[in-house]
Amino acid sequence: DQQVKQNSPSLSVQEGRISILNCDYTNSMFDYFLWYKKYPAEGPTFLISISSIKDKNEDGRFTVFLNKSAKHLSLHIVPSQPGDSAVYFCAASDEKLTFGTGTRLTIIP
Amino acid sequence: DVKVTQSSRYLVKRTGEKVFLECVQDMDHENMFWYRQDPGLGLRLIYFSYDVKMKEKGDIPEGYSVSREKKERFSLILESASTNQTSMYLCASSLWRVSGNTIYFGEGSWLTVV
Repeated sequence: DQQVKQNSPSLSVQEGRISILNCDYTNSMFDYFLWYKKYPAEGPTFLISISSIKDKNEDGRFTVFLNKSAKHLSLHIVPSQPGDSAVYFCAASDEKLTFGTGTRLTIIP
Repeated sequence: DVKVTQSSRYLVKRTGEKVFLECVQDMDHENMFWYRQDPGLGLRLIYFSYDVKMKEKGDIPEGYSVSREKKERFSLILESASTNQTSMYLCASSLWRVSGNTIYFGEGSWLTVV
């Protein structure tokens, strides 16, 4: 049973526009959420995280929003750049991380 | 910077062979993990360890075992490799056993079983 879901396998966005990546979860015991970025043939790298007691966390061009009642989080990238093209995984934590299936983001120049 | 090193980047093994995937971290982290990544399935946890000589099953432990004799080293073992174990394997480590603790990944090991 997939506890963390990313329902969009792929997303294409024009350079300079906003990219919005979505993630849903089912386990209400998760208390931290993280986003990782992965390039081909490399390991995932940590991008941004949010505690369940917050609803927003911002770091430069990246903002994560959490809606606990809907069990939904999203990652906003503004403005999108070609180097943002990668696979993005959301992950939820209850001591160990459970990952979603990933969304491949392509930024179109 | 945290460094998680997976010794083999690309391996090709035959069905039935015993395979060792080695992982070393240099930041004195307590926790180490092995994941596999498959298209459409994301990252799935195979085994993890919170201390030397400790190991716990993740979500898909079948067909795998692990060894952690030293704090910095965590090995994944495929006792008898099968074609459905062809995948990218990712080792990771983290400092504390608490929620929200960021884990750091190695660059991955691509295993092909023929």
